[in-house]
Amino acid sequence: EAQVTQNPRYLITVTGKKLTVTCSQNMNHEYMSWYRQDPGLGLRQIYYSMNVEVTDKGDVPEGYKVSRKEKRNFPLILESPSPNQTSLYFCASNPLGAGANVLTFGAGSRLTVL
Amino acid sequence: AQSVTQPDIHITVSEGASLELRCNYSYGATPYLFWYVQSPGQGLQLLLKYFSGDTLVQGIKGFEAEFKRSQSSFNLRKPSVHWSDAAEYFCAVGFLYGGATNKLIFGTGTLLAVQP
Repeated sequence: EAQVTQNPRYLITVTGKKLTVTCSQNMNHEYMSWYRQDPGLGLRQIYYSMNVEVTDKGDVPEGYKVSRKEKRNFPLILESPSPNQTSLYFCASNPLGAGANVLTFGAGSRLTVL
Repeated sequence: AQSVTQPDIHITVSEGASLELRCNYSYGATPYLFWYVQSPGQGLQLLLKYFSGDTLVQGIKGFEAEFKRSQSSFNLRKPSVHWSDAAEYFCAVGFLYGGATNKLIFGTGTLLAVQP
């Protein structure tokens, strides 16, 4: 089944403890991106990647890092999480060519930073 | 700056009634427009999309949307709502870069409640 898989789905952590949210897609998509969803704000893009080793900031990149060492994986790294990063996170992917304009989203990762 | 506005934060309709969710966008060129639905505790599911051509687009679950350039709107409609339609609905504008969508700008969402 074509899908975007995120892990963990739920995580409670404490301020300053580094964490990584993994994202993997099995569709051989070139583009991948991360969004965070907050009440009253909708979804906002954190980072995106156009291909392996090509990443760029989205609208709210502060406090986050990403890497794209393999085409299928696009982990989101919080080096020193803070409570304002408590949010619901979505990873998405889309291809070049046919279907290039439609994103496939993962199921989401709910992160709580105490 | 590009933006998407969903003026209705919360809407309640009776089952079987018609539905229209409003979406207005601000974008300099012809936009790529989307409606997504998010059921409680779930991810985002694409309902429909508009890229070009016929301004009335059909989607899944009996939804349709109409692109009106003069009003910068892309309102979502359904003639008869079912209880299972209760969810949060997001309108989004897509941006192209390097031959594909590299970013979606989302509205703040409309939460739909359905009364029996």
